[in-house]
Amino acid sequence: EVQLLESGGGLVQPGGSLRLSCVASGFTFSNYAMSWVRQAPGKGLEWVSAISGSGDSTYYADSVKGRFTISRDNSKKTLSLQMNSLKAEDTAVYYCAKSTVVFGRSSRSDSWGQGTQVTVSS
Amino acid sequence: QSVVTQPPSASGTPGQRVTISCSGSSSSIGTNNVNWYQQLPGTAPKLLIYGNDQRPSGVSDRFSGSKSGTSASLAISGLQSGDEADYYCAAWDDSLNGAVFGGGTQLTVL
Repeated sequence: EVQLLESGGGLVQPGGSLRLSCVASGFTFSNYAMSWVRQAPGKGLEWVSAISGSGDSTYYADSVKGRFTISRDNSKKTLSLQMNSLKAEDTAVYYCAKSTVVFGRSSRSDSWGQGTQVTVSS
Repeated sequence: QSVVTQPPSASGTPGQRVTISCSGSSSSIGTNNVNWYQQLPGTAPKLLIYGNDQRPSGVSDRFSGSKSGTSASLAISGLQSGDEADYYCAAWDDSLNGAVFGGGTQLTVL
C-alpha cells in the first residue's frame, strides 16, 4: 500500500523559512516523479512544484519560483520542499503527491498524503 | 487566477446525470492529457479520471471523462449523495512548464 506522510508544517513569520518533508513507502520511490500541491483556506488546488524520479529535473509554479526548492533523497525515500521568503499568501495545506511516471511533466498523481498545514503570519 | 476554467458550482438530484466542463488553452488541454480529481470534504484529493477518459481501478463507471480540442468534461451519471464533493481538472501546460488545476467545481446533490 502506498503511503505518503508529510511533516514540517507550522506557523512562521513573513519572510521566514520552513522545510517540508514527505516520507514515502509501499512503492519504488525512485521510479516516480513527485509533486507538491497546496490548498489555501477555502480555495482550490494549486500545483507548486514537481521533481523527476532521478531528481535531475525540477519544475516550479511562477508564484514560488526563486523562493521554494524541491528535492528528493531516493535512498531515504523522502521528498522535501524548502520554502524561503515566505509570504502570507503561502498559507495553505501542502500535499505531497506521487506521479504515475518517472519524468516530472505530468499532472497525474495517483496517491496523495494527508497534507501539512503551513501558516505564514506575524 | 487559473488558466484552466471550471464553473464554480454544479448541482443535480439523485439519479440525474451532471456534467462539469473544463476549458484550457492550446498549450495545456489542447496538447496534454486531462486528469480529474475528486476531493471529498476534509480529505485529500483522489484521482478520478486520467488520460482524458480512463478510470483508475476502483472508480465507479458512473464517472466518465472526455476531451475535445482545448476543453474537457467530466460526467457523473446516477448521481448519489456521496458524490457531493469538489471536482478539479488538471493538465500540464507546456508554455508555463508546469501543471495547472482548474479552479474547482463544487457539486451539490439536491
